Amino acid sequence: EAQVTQNPRYLITVTGKKLTVTCSQNMNHEYMSWYRQDPGLGLRQIYYSMNVEVTDKGDVPEGYKVSRKEKRNFPLILESPSPNQTSLYFCASSPRIGDTQYFGPGTRLTVL
Amino acid sequence: QKEVEQDPGPLSVPEGAIVSLNCTYSNSAFQYFMWYRQYSRKGPELLMYTYSSGNKEDGRFTAQVDKSSKYISLFIRDSQPSDSATYLCAMSAEGGDYKLSFGAGTTVTVRA
Repeated sequence: EAQVTQNPRYLITVTGKKLTVTCSQNMNHEYMSWYRQDPGLGLRQIYYSMNVEVTDKGDVPEGYKVSRKEKRNFPLILESPSPNQTSLYFCASSPRIGDTQYFGPGTRLTVL
Repeated sequence: QKEVEQDPGPLSVPEGAIVSLNCTYSNSAFQYFMWYRQYSRKGPELLMYTYSSGNKEDGRFTAQVDKSSKYISLFIRDSQPSDSATYLCAMSAEGGDYKLSFGAGTTVTVRA
């Protein structure tokens, strides 16, 4: 089954404790992206990747890092999480712009 | 001012009614316009995609784009309880810009 998977689905952590949210897709898509979703603000792009080893900042990259060492994986790294990073995070992938963008199930992160 | 404005609702309609959703935007460079549907606790899924101005129909769904007014709409005819979800508009500029700008989403409930 074609899908985007994220782990973990739910995470509660404390300020300053490094964490990684994994994202994996099995559709051989070149383009992958991370978003955060907050009430009243909709989805905002954090980082995106157009292919292996090619990443770029989205609209709200501060406090986040990403890597794209393999085509299928695009982890999101929070080196020192802060409470303002409490949010619902989505990973997405697509073959190219304009094509269907497949979203993962979301990761609900709470930073205390 | 946000680049994409969308009334968050909530919107509650009886089964069989026409649901009308809309977004306005400020960036005249936007060429690609999308509507996503997001069920509770799920990732968004692409519902409709249009390029430039005009109408597009897919079953009970009709998307309209008026670039002169910077206004897009989504109409759902003969609404069903299964249409209850949050609907997000999204748009992007031409020329390989992989960045999507999303509206905040409108929550719709269709009452049986």
